[in-house]
Amino acid sequence: AQKVTQAQTEISVVEKEDVTLDCVYETRDTTYYLFWYKQPPSGELVFLIRRNSFDEQNEISGRYSWNFQKSTSSFNFTITASQVVDSAVYFCALSGYLYSGGSNYKLTFGKGTLLTVNP
Amino acid sequence: DAGITQSPRYKITETGRQVTLMCHQTWSHSYMFWYRQDLGHGLRLIYYSAAADITDKGEVPDGYVVSRSKTENFPLTLESATRSQTSVYFCASSESTSGQETQYFGPGTRLLVL
Repeated sequence: AQKVTQAQTEISVVEKEDVTLDCVYETRDTTYYLFWYKQPPSGELVFLIRRNSFDEQNEISGRYSWNFQKSTSSFNFTITASQVVDSAVYFCALSGYLYSGGSNYKLTFGKGTLLTVNP
Repeated sequence: DAGITQSPRYKITETGRQVTLMCHQTWSHSYMFWYRQDLGHGLRLIYYSAAADITDKGEVPDGYVVSRSKTENFPLTLESATRSQTSVYFCASSESTSGQETQYFGPGTRLLVL
């Protein structure tokens, strides 16, 4: 069974602070993909990043960076110099087989972390 | 480029009524998905479709029906709505479900069942 745990339910920071959102996953698959999505107050789900299990290099995109550590089954997301527009719910997700022995995949989502960036 | 759209965006209905939520994508993606988002549960997969005329159940399919006569459309029908189906429904699409392809989501439909 797959599981994604986002232990931080809510985080509140002041603008320009750095913030890290934690994601820990469980899977028996040897090949899998991890994703982060952002859900701003307007409600849509916005794709941020995809990472495969064989690529443990950290990724940086502007103020966003991701740290993937297979040894600890973690895929953490850091926002540097946070801004009010970063306020959103952030979801970590893991791809895996929909059914045991099947060939179709599904995304397993964590329950999300609500990030509030205050001016 | 419209991407993926859902209609209606908001819907109020009564217990026992039939409701259809529409999803349309312009990317010609093979796979389409329906999720529901509820507090405390995150997003859960209701149904998915690998191609036109091919659909299959996800984690929480009971009370829902889907069809896919055209690649670009994937309607979700609640045959007899119940209060427990009050939720936010998201449609998504991807080029494949090999596990590596990103799913792109529509804006969501907020459904209230009275």
